[in-house]
Order: sequence, then C-alpha cells, then structure tokens
Amino acid sequence: DAKTTQPNSMESNEEEPVHLPCNHSTISGTDYIHWYRQLPSQGPEYVIHGLTSNVNNRMASLAIAEDRKSSTLILHRATLRDAAVYYCPVDSGGSNYKLTFGKGTLLTVNP
Amino acid sequence: SQTIHQWPATLVQPVGSPLSLECTVEGTSNPNLYWYRQAAGRGLQLLFYSVGIGQISSEVPQNLSASRPQDRQFILSSKKLLLSDSGFYLCAWSRGTSARTYEQYFGPGTRLTVT
Repeated sequence: DAKTTQPNSMESNEEEPVHLPCNHSTISGTDYIHWYRQLPSQGPEYVIHGLTSNVNNRMASLAIAEDRKSSTLILHRATLRDAAVYYCPVDSGGSNYKLTFGKGTLLTVNP
Repeated sequence: SQTIHQWPATLVQPVGSPLSLECTVEGTSNPNLYWYRQAAGRGLQLLFYSVGIGQISSEVPQNLSASRPQDRQFILSSKKLLLSDSGFYLCAWSRGTSARTYEQYFGPGTRLTVT
C-alpha cells in the first residue's frame, strides 16, 4: 500500500486560499489519490479524487504533480466550516477497494 | 438516495464484556463495506472490509471480528473487550463495481469506552 505523508497541522485565515500538501512517493501508476476531511466527532467526508490530471469540483481543486509523487488540495476561499482534519489516502489498486488513511492534517481557520 | 446507519452512537462497556456494533446501508445493493477504528488523537485504522456476503478481510489481527450476514448489514463483534478497544468506530460503504472510484461514505460512528 502506498504511504502518505502530510503536515500535522496548518493554519489559514477566513476568505483566503489554502493549499494542503500530501506526499505519496511510493504510489504506483494506477493508484488513485483521494482526499477526505473529518469534522470533530463525525465520520470522514469525501472531498475529491484524481489519477493524473488536475480535478475540480464544488468543494475543492486537486493538483497532482507530474510525477504523481505528491498532490495538493486547494480550498479557494477558506471558511470556518472548512476547519477539519484532511486526509489524502491512496487506493491500493486491484479489486479490494481499500484506502489507507494516515494521520491527516488538522486545518485551523482563523476568522 | 443512499443512507448508512450505525448504532449505538455511544457505548460504555466493562473490560471482558462482549461487543456487537451494527451497520446497515440503504438505497444500494452489493456495496463494499468497511469497519475503521480511530483511537483518541489518531488517524483512521482499517479493521475489516467486505466485498460480499460472508466475505471478510481482516487488516489487523486483534480482539475483534466482523460478519456480513446480509448484503447491506455489517457487524463488528468481540467476545471480551480490552481497554485498548476504546475508540471511535466507523462503518463505511462504497460502490461494489469495477469502476476505479473508491469513494467511501461514512456513517456517524460509535464512540466506545471500555472501563
């Protein structure tokens, strides 16, 4: 399974963009990169996923490095509701549909 | 639309007592099902996953077991709880198709405290 490395915590101001990094240097060619976030005392929530190309949805953008060894989740305008722990699991490929979650990044958004 | 249920929401159990946590999914068929545990201040640890009835894969050898008696029902059990079993237990499901999208949908979780 591909391992991921993220900063333990990051801080941002409301209304400003946030770039959350993730390193996945052992990723294989067919592994998808996923992002989830978790609010306190709740289950994680899917944010976005991608393979090679950058991806956009209503929640965020995902920028994937050309060598795929790292990715960045971009929140274009942080709000207080974006304060959460952000995870970037990489799927293990094959047919077992498994994601391996690391410890994630705790994002604090200041008003 | 799909819905995932978990119960109970909170549970306090003494050491050595049995455990049964239940998870059910509505609005989909043949989902992949997962049990995770999150210890205080830690990340998510995958415990079990299932791609079909009676098919259980264990990720971490431990004091727990899982069963899938019906297509949309997933049960986490223990015969004798340990203090180290305390944590936040999360059930999740994903679409059981060959498409390479493993978006998982999580339930509200069960907070277990073993005393």
